Amino acid sequence: DSGVTQTPKHLITATGQRVTLRCSPRSGDLSVYWYQQSLDQGLQFLIQYYNGEERAKGNILERFSAQQFPDLHSELNLSSLELGDSALYFCASSVRPGLTTKNTGELFFGEGSRLTVL
Amino acid sequence: EDQVTQSPEALRLQEGESSSLNCSYTVSGLRGLFWYRQDPGKGPEFLFTLYSAGEEKEKERLKATLTKKESFLHITAPKPEDSATYLCAVQALLNAGNMLTFGGGTRLMVKP
Repeated sequence: DSGVTQTPKHLITATGQRVTLRCSPRSGDLSVYWYQQSLDQGLQFLIQYYNGEERAKGNILERFSAQQFPDLHSELNLSSLELGDSALYFCASSVRPGLTTKNTGELFFGEGSRLTVL
Repeated sequence: EDQVTQSPEALRLQEGESSSLNCSYTVSGLRGLFWYRQDPGKGPEFLFTLYSAGEEKEKERLKATLTKKESFLHITAPKPEDSATYLCAVQALLNAGNMLTFGGGTRLMVKP
């Protein structure tokens, strides 16, 4: 158990709909990351928050948005869903916002939210 | 653009049969290279971080090495419980935050 909690574990919805995925990081971790994993694209970085502020952004679609709340949990909002959005969405957390030679940069991943768009 | 390519895509080994997984990368200045293990239905689990060419890290039957263009994950005398997908990722010096670029992974199957 990594200590990162994601809900829901499974979600089935229709095209055009909007969903919210939730993530609670490990106790004490200030940084939260969202990754998308699909069969054809592998694991793709979406966005990182550190202590409530956006820290880094990947190839996140404009239809997707995220935020980190004062209690450090994070939500990923996916709107106008398309069939191609079907994937596993992982949240990860870490204590520090970046890698230095004094830390391993280890990310702790949750078990993911599997989104199926029909 | 940072790129990570892993080979082979899948590897079947007999228990005790040692082998190596390859991770080739191109990055605009390497801050770190990572190896993660992912079991079916689970999130990736951290194994190693390598910072510079020539560095090696070991953990049980696994040993990771790094050159300027690639990394190898050597598996010595594997056991069935080593079956998993092994992911390689890089972080570039110029990247803000802690963004990782992952390879497609190598799916390892160890048969008893």
